[in-house]
Amino acid sequence: EVQLVQSGAEVKKPGESLKISCQGSGYSFTTYWIAWVRQMPGKGLEWMGIIHPGNSDIRYNPSFQGQVTISADKSISTAYIHWSSLKASDAAMYFCARQAYPSEFYSYNWFDRWGQGTLVTVSS
Amino acid sequence: EIVMTQSPATLSVSPGERATLSCRASQSVSTKLAWYQQKPGQAPRLLINGASTRATGIPARFSGSGSGTEFTLTINSLQSEDFAVYYCQQYDKWPTFGQGTKVEIK
Repeated sequence: EVQLVQSGAEVKKPGESLKISCQGSGYSFTTYWIAWVRQMPGKGLEWMGIIHPGNSDIRYNPSFQGQVTISADKSISTAYIHWSSLKASDAAMYFCARQAYPSEFYSYNWFDRWGQGTLVTVSS
Repeated sequence: EIVMTQSPATLSVSPGERATLSCRASQSVSTKLAWYQQKPGQAPRLLINGASTRATGIPARFSGSGSGTEFTLTINSLQSEDFAVYYCQQYDKWPTFGQGTKVEIK
């Protein structure tokens, strides 16, 4: 069974760093692109960026470029998103999602599997 | 950025009735349009891709149509488990989502 399992909820203070994870199983992790999607409280979905775990090719939504860092460790089938200095406005639910169809080269696509979400709370 | 606009924001429907949800793109996305269902506290679930292709395991009461800038998700004979928020997503350019339509019990 294809699964994406995310790390647990986090409570952080403004200015702190954070890295959350998304571990894939049940499929060839290195052949499917993994995206990160933000959902602020009571709001819709925003695509933040995407990584190919096999070759570490990364694309960012311009709105999130420089604000987060996406990475992956293919040896443990895990993708990450990292903040070096959290802001209160980073408080949200974050989902990882597998882009449909394996491909070495990036092309826009839909998302066929989602992680359960990681809730990030940022408060002083 | 392609802006996706969904309407209505909230749709009140009685169980057994039909729900019709709309999604409009700010420019043509051909049929590069997906629909997702999200229930409270859960991740989105893929329903439709390619504007009209049901994902694996999705019941036939869900159907999608449209191309270019205008799209529709139709849910026939609403079941209790269908009350949720629905999002459209275009993937003609870097992905963007609509703001969602909440389907609630009338």
